[in-house]
Amino acid sequence: GEDVEQSLFLSVREGDSSVINCTYTDSSSTYLYWYKQEPGAGLQLLTYIFSNMDMKQDQRLTVLLNKKDKHLSLRIADTQTGDSAIYFCAERGNTPLVFGKGTRLSVIA
Amino acid sequence: EADIYQTPRYLVIGTGKKITLECSQTMGHDKMYWYQQDPGMELHLIHYSYGVNSTEKGDLSSESTVSRIRTEHFPLTLESARPSHTSQYLCASSAAPWRSPQETQYFGPGTRLLVL
Repeated sequence: GEDVEQSLFLSVREGDSSVINCTYTDSSSTYLYWYKQEPGAGLQLLTYIFSNMDMKQDQRLTVLLNKKDKHLSLRIADTQTGDSAIYFCAERGNTPLVFGKGTRLSVIA
Repeated sequence: EADIYQTPRYLVIGTGKKITLECSQTMGHDKMYWYQQDPGMELHLIHYSYGVNSTEKGDLSSESTVSRIRTEHFPLTLESARPSHTSQYLCASSAAPWRSPQETQYFGPGTRLLVL
């Protein structure tokens, strides 16, 4: 079945780059997503990438996709305290979206 | 910016009570979803709808029920609340056509439910 795996925790210092990794199993996935969840809130769409792309950049965010290894990463440059949140990777599978368990990013000032 | 609303934001209720969690969106999206999010962060799809009069059960078995009488409204009902229903409930909607490979979902702020 479809599965999306993420590491659960990441801690970085303010100003450093953060890299959040995700692996997925469905090789037919066409769109892959990154969502951000701040405390007490719903999920906010950060960015998505189409499967025929290797990289997508949007200001401080860079998404890298390795289709061969089914690996997706989200890089946040110059990480700020406001970036502290839970980040979910998701793929478009047979069910509408399959989410990973989320990576809790802690930014240390 | 997505316009999707959930009420109440917080609810504390006793065991055995009937409750309805409201979800509304003003974007005219056909697809709507309910997720249950446990304290360990994982999201579980419990119900979804592809349009008016369409409802489907999700991956996680749930004792809740849903209805979709109007496009903009997708309420979730628990007939008899139990402590095991304590969780956060997130509603989402999508404009993507059925079976579209792109499935961007927009989320409401969530309802945090505590059943005593």
